[in-house]
Amino acid sequence: EADIYQTPRYLVIGTGKKITLECSQTMGHDKMYWYQQDPGMELHLIHYSYGVNSTEKGDLSSESTVSRIRTEHFPLTLESARPSHTSQYLCASSAGGLTEAFFGQGTRLTVV
Amino acid sequence: SQQGEEDPQALSIQEGENATMNCSYKTSINNLQWYRQNSGRGLVHLILIRSNEREKHSGRLRVTLDTSKKSSSLLITASRAADTASYFCARDNYGQNFVFGPGTRLSVLP
Repeated sequence: EADIYQTPRYLVIGTGKKITLECSQTMGHDKMYWYQQDPGMELHLIHYSYGVNSTEKGDLSSESTVSRIRTEHFPLTLESARPSHTSQYLCASSAGGLTEAFFGQGTRLTVV
Repeated sequence: SQQGEEDPQALSIQEGENATMNCSYKTSINNLQWYRQNSGRGLVHLILIRSNEREKHSGRLRVTLDTSKKSSSLLITASRAADTASYFCARDNYGQNFVFGPGTRLSVLP
């Protein structure tokens, strides 16, 4: 069983609110990732990190930001949520880019 | 999709039948992986095949890789209702991250 956790699992918030989606892993993995996935659709990489103090933007333009102050923690923040941010957000980690990724259960975000 | 294609997009079979899903990609790879996703959940890793491997087995799963055609297939033998899920292939992106295909939605009818 993967030791990567996302909170909250479900979140409904109003437009304009600031939110932070939490992601933590206990496997000591250097690499962590955030993907965005609409229901039944493909995953789009929005942010990734090689390790502490490293963050990179993914292929999908996103208004979110991330930080990596500790190896185990990779939170994603939306400064001002909009209905277009409604989606599922999946966090993952891996020991390297050439090994398997472990995924959290996801956060399903609805912005009303 | 710039990330590649999977086909079919959806597949519906009876329990006990075999299910085959295909994945194509556009760039060179170090490895290709297959993941499973139950509805509304995260992805679970199934199998990784390296670029110098042609076939790999894990239980009822068989994965093949043809680097000359830039394609891979996932075969699930003797399917069960519990195999109902979406299946994604993912290629490594020069070791930096993972690029996922659009997925195949498999329904196994009892």
